[in-house]
Amino acid sequence: NAGVTQTPKFQVLKTGQSMTLQCAQDMNHEYMSWYRQDPGMGLRLIHYSVGAGITDQGEVPNGYNVSRSTTEDFPLRLLSAAPSQTSVYFCASSSALGGGTDTQYFGPGTRLTVL
Amino acid sequence: AQSVAQPEDQVNVAEGNPLTVKCTYSVSGNPYLFWYVQYPNRGLQFLLKYITGDNLVKGSYGFEAEFNKSQTSFHLKKPSALVSDSALYFCAVRPSGSARQLTFGSGTQLTVLP
Repeated sequence: NAGVTQTPKFQVLKTGQSMTLQCAQDMNHEYMSWYRQDPGMGLRLIHYSVGAGITDQGEVPNGYNVSRSTTEDFPLRLLSAAPSQTSVYFCASSSALGGGTDTQYFGPGTRLTVL
Repeated sequence: AQSVAQPEDQVNVAEGNPLTVKCTYSVSGNPYLFWYVQYPNRGLQFLLKYITGDNLVKGSYGFEAEFNKSQTSFHLKKPSALVSDSALYFCAVRPSGSARQLTFGSGTQLTVLP
């Protein structure tokens, strides 16, 4: 198992540009999430999905869009990048079988800089 | 809404000494509690979790955590610290029986001094 994979590892954008951060998992997990990590603020939830075709907003969804067309993939789209979106982005997945007891597994992260 | 507090941004401990990283939580009902570790330029790795049962939970790399319901705490401990334990540690909570995503604390940087 590759687990949770993310691409790219690093990205530099100019203000106003758009891009998609890719996330895939091969564990057949129902739940997938996107977090951003900023110094001193821990991880904040952007969007999450409880299954293919179902997504919902987290704590900081503005400026981001998601879709879940398959169980394996959960891309995160930045519609018009802003310097405030400079951050490290983590994708995570977990099973739904344990009713909330399941461990969440994280990808290696994407470090995004918006100039 | 649930929340997690890690009151110490930085914890320094000498190698071989016991270490404690503190975590308190707020959640409706019973909690599911998790500890993760992040090494530099890496993703988060799962250490241990409390779901139910024994209040002392043992996890990876010799770490353990004690759940205290009355104090709403879930402190991470290790009897003898290693320099290689130096990393960023995150506590997280989810209400029991909930499909909601984890809420994380702000993290504690642990430095083990040789």
